[in-house]
Amino acid sequence: QSVLTQPPSVSAAPGQKVTISCSGSSSNIGNNDVSWYHQLSGTAPRLLISDNNKRPSDIPDRFSGSKTGASATLGITGLQTGDEGDYYCATWDSSLTASVFGGGTRLTVL
Amino acid sequence: EVQLVESGGMLVHPGGSLRLSCAGSGFTFSSYSMNWVRQAPGKGLEWLSYISGSGGTVYYADSVKGRFTISRDNADNSLFLQMNSLRDDDTALYYCARSPPFPLVPTGMFTHWGQGSLVTVSS
Repeated sequence: QSVLTQPPSVSAAPGQKVTISCSGSSSNIGNNDVSWYHQLSGTAPRLLISDNNKRPSDIPDRFSGSKTGASATLGITGLQTGDEGDYYCATWDSSLTASVFGGGTRLTVL
Repeated sequence: EVQLVESGGMLVHPGGSLRLSCAGSGFTFSSYSMNWVRQAPGKGLEWLSYISGSGGTVYYADSVKGRFTISRDNADNSLFLQMNSLRDDDTALYYCARSPPFPLVPTGMFTHWGQGSLVTVSS
């Protein structure tokens, strides 16, 4: 059971938009910044979003992040087949004094 | 180019010990906090441990506290994870991951990852 809750799976057609939610509490998302990661099968995770909504320079602006209260959301527009894979949210939990990940969401581009 | 290369993973019996290493290059190793994250087969990511750039501050997940020890050798640009009392459920791919340069406190942000080292615990 993960501290951060994500939907197990989402799907959408190429070119469409999808959002992935990440729900936590005041001890984690509510008071700490959220990062998002993409993991293709058999590869290491890759940072997509940091500090709730900041993209590394090599990440296209099709990817966006937001945070409200104790929940965060990853948005992906103009879906491509290369966007398939697993997406994870993460943050610091001040009560646990530990970094925590969501359980992961598998994106399928139909 | 930042590179992180893990090594040391292997098959070990339950109750056994293992030491993983992570060699960093392409950046000033001592200026960055480092982490260990693992992924069991077919499962999600699990953060295990954090160590500050100086090595003076460490944190552990409850699942490994008292069994695993994180350490680093800045002179050799290396990160380590000493794993004792290994259990079947410690079987996973173990990643080392670099924290950002700031803030100087742990976060959920890991800017660079190695390719992982596979640890299999089985009798």
